Amino acid sequence: QVQLHESGPGLVKPSQTLSLTCTVSGGSITSGSYYWSWIRQPAGKGLEWIGRMYASGSANYNPSLKSRATMSVDMSKNQFSLKLSSVTAADTAVYYCAREWGGYYYMDVWGKGTTATVSS
Amino acid sequence: DIQMTQSPSSLSASVGDRVTITCRASQSISNYLNWYQQKPGKAPNLLIYVASTLQNGVPSRFSGSGSGTDFTLTISSLQPEDFATYYCQQSFITPGTFGQGTQVEIK
Repeated sequence: QVQLHESGPGLVKPSQTLSLTCTVSGGSITSGSYYWSWIRQPAGKGLEWIGRMYASGSANYNPSLKSRATMSVDMSKNQFSLKLSSVTAADTAVYYCAREWGGYYYMDVWGKGTTATVSS
Repeated sequence: DIQMTQSPSSLSASVGDRVTITCRASQSISNYLNWYQQKPGKAPNLLIYVASTLQNGVPSRFSGSGSGTDFTLTISSLQPEDFATYYCQQSFITPGTFGQGTQVEIK
């Protein structure tokens, strides 16, 4: 079955760019009707959808991030990535990648999450 | 953005109790409503999608209902492994937005 695994630096300095990668195993990132998404959760708080992208490269982002988020896909590595620029302490969170079904857009497979801390 | 409001924010219940969590959308979302369960330190897990469809492998004691703006998640007989936080999410309009969560605690 499909599994997702997030990776990235645990610590990022304010104003820098946070870069995260999600590796897909057990299935192809190019298969069928799925989108590939990022969601985050600050400690003790709720969930925030960041964005989704299709393997073709088309993407949707949460406007609340004010164009700071950019997603990309590397089909050769079966990975997709998130870059979040100009980070502040408010971007400190657990970041999850997930598979999103492209009909009703529910997230049926999630990675375990990776913590990103923004601090000098 | 569509606002999702869950009630209650937390509840205490005993094993065997019937538990109901409600989720209200700020505008109609048809049946584009999903429910997730999250345990401490773990990723969310999809329970129900399209308002009432049980995800594969999820016990039948979980059920969902509703359409338009008002939705319900019901656990027919609460089990020890069900103590967790539950989130609703609308996927009708991008960005998909989540409710604030309902924490189900042991009484």
